[in-house]
Amino acid sequence: EPEVTQTPSHQVTQMGQEVILRCVPISNHLYFYWYRQILGQKVEFLVSFYNNEISEKSEIFDDQFSVERPDGSNFTLKIRSTKLEDSAMYFCASKGNTGELFFGEGSRLTVL
Amino acid sequence: AQKVTQAQTEISVVEKEDVTLDCVYETRDTTYYLFWYKQPPSGELVFLIRRNSFDEQNEISGRYSWNFQKSTSSFNFTITASQVVDSAVYFCALRGASGANSKLTFGKGITLSVRP
Repeated sequence: EPEVTQTPSHQVTQMGQEVILRCVPISNHLYFYWYRQILGQKVEFLVSFYNNEISEKSEIFDDQFSVERPDGSNFTLKIRSTKLEDSAMYFCASKGNTGELFFGEGSRLTVL
Repeated sequence: AQKVTQAQTEISVVEKEDVTLDCVYETRDTTYYLFWYKQPPSGELVFLIRRNSFDEQNEISGRYSWNFQKSTSSFNFTITASQVVDSAVYFCALRGASGANSKLTFGKGITLSVRP
């Protein structure tokens, strides 16, 4: 069964360091998303991406964040200079024509 | 603005009990989609169901059933004869239909503990 895959599953980084989280969406999907979940809290929308550009972003997605699809398969989230409050589980999701979002297993980011 | 309210935060039941997880939503869209996701202790988000706003038929899938009531803006989820493996956080979510990329808005989640 096709699935969204994310790497790394867990990353520990020092405050101020750059982090790149990678996602491989389901191959025939065209809409891509990043969500995050701070420990014990709800899942929050960060950004949606379609046709090689951002289609919507939340107030959380500030200038420290960027997304790209460099090679037609990977979909990456970059945090330029991590802060303690960026510690969270980051979920990638993709959507096809049926409308369901399929989520990856998440990448846990710990900022020390 | 879209909003999803899951008023229950934690529910604890004994195995084989039935349990209903409540979800109330707000949206200005006339067409929208409602979802339930399960997040087991391992952390991933598992899709359970999608319901379109124009389809108010209730749905049953094994021990799971969903009751969509547009009049009360509710989309409740019932687990019949609960099992320990049902222990997880359950999220209700809403997506509008305006624009193909309408984002999912999640509720805060309900932590369900099923005791043997």
